[in-house]
Amino acid sequence: AQSVTQPDIHITVSEGASLELRCNYSYGATPYLFWYVQSPGQGLQLLLKYFSGDTLVQGIKGFEAEFKRSQSSFNLRKPSVHWSDAAEYFCAVGGRFSGGYNKLIFGAGTRLAVHP
Amino acid sequence: DAGVTQSPTHLIKTRGQHVTLRCSPISGHKSVSWYQQVLGQGPQFIFQYYEKEERGRGNFPDRFSARQFPNYSSELNVNALLLGDSALYLCASSLEVDDNYGYTFGSGTRLTVV
Repeated sequence: AQSVTQPDIHITVSEGASLELRCNYSYGATPYLFWYVQSPGQGLQLLLKYFSGDTLVQGIKGFEAEFKRSQSSFNLRKPSVHWSDAAEYFCAVGGRFSGGYNKLIFGAGTRLAVHP
Repeated sequence: DAGVTQSPTHLIKTRGQHVTLRCSPISGHKSVSWYQQVLGQGPQFIFQYYEKEERGRGNFPDRFSARQFPNYSSELNVNALLLGDSALYLCASSLEVDDNYGYTFGSGTRLTVV
């Protein structure tokens, strides 16, 4: 069955420190992979996406993610975290399902706190 | 350009009542999907609609229904509300039904069932 695992429920980093959020997926075919960010009470904003090609993907707000097929991982990174990055981050896998429809399967999320 | 708009932003309902949530996709987008996000969890897929037809349904009871109109806007209906239906309901639009590249989410409707 398709699934997404985000092993870290909460992460706290100091402002200016580097960040890595982990994501592992299970999907039978070539996956479409996404990272979204959600601020409190808000909807989801797309940070970046991967569907083919270069395995290192650049996104908005200085984020990047690396697709590693052998590890079924799609970890999100940022070299220097800003206080405004505090939010909840969701990894998702998308694809075609039987019946001809598409959907996203989300992980449970990682809540990021940033200390000044 | 307007993004995905959802209404209302918040509402409170009593158990057993019915609720209708609305979504207007990005102009030109033909597909609308609905997701439920319970507090502390990731969003869960409810429905995908394309060209006014249901194309996919998640693991939700028949109390949940939806429809899409000729202008591609959509409604999500939930009957006989339960406390467990309290959640943020998110609408996502995409250009085509199999457009894995371009989901855009609205800000959601926060439903509280008391």
